[in-house]
Amino acid sequence: AQSVAQPEDQVNVAEGNPLTVKCTYSVSGNPYLFWYVQYPNRGLQFLLKYITGDNLVKGSYGFEAEFNKSQTSFHLKKPSALVSDSALYFCAVRDMDTGFQKLVFGTGTRLLVSP
Amino acid sequence: DTEVTQTPKHLVMGMTNKKSLKCEQHMGHRAMYWYKQKAKKPPELMFVYSYEKLSINESVPSRFSPECPNSSLLNLHLHALQPEDSALYLCASSPPGLDHGEKLFFGSGTQLSVL
Repeated sequence: AQSVAQPEDQVNVAEGNPLTVKCTYSVSGNPYLFWYVQYPNRGLQFLLKYITGDNLVKGSYGFEAEFNKSQTSFHLKKPSALVSDSALYFCAVRDMDTGFQKLVFGTGTRLLVSP
Repeated sequence: DTEVTQTPKHLVMGMTNKKSLKCEQHMGHRAMYWYKQKAKKPPELMFVYSYEKLSINESVPSRFSPECPNSSLLNLHLHALQPEDSALYLCASSPPGLDHGEKLFFGSGTQLSVL
């Protein structure tokens, strides 16, 4: 079965500093990886995906993610954090066992950006 | 129109009630999803409809009954729910083609409380 792990429940960072939200994956075959963000009382919003190609993937709102096959990681990064980036971030992987339509989400990491 | 609209936003129901959740999108997406999200947990897939046909049922109890009357509309009929079914119910859709099932567009959800 495909799975992702987010080892940090919460990440705190000061505004203007770089941020990293960690994700590791466990898959059979090539991974299809995603990051979504959830603001309070809202649904999830797609940030970016890795299917194949460059290991550095650029996404929405200035976020990017680095795919590292040897470390089985897909960490989300941003060079300069904003207070408005404070939200819940989910890493996800496509579950190839059930076809292309099922995403399995990690447990989520709450990002708090202080002014 | 780039939104997935869910109604109602909040719902309180007794264990003997029958209610329905509604989801609508007008983006031409041909896959629609129901996810369940408990507090401080990741979303969990319940059902997937692809081209108006049920393609995935994640062993959801029969007290939850999905319906996809057309390509723009998805319903979730609720009957004889239990208090543990209280959760945020998220609808999502995804476009056909290469991104089918990968980039999900989520609604804001229905917060359901079962008394």
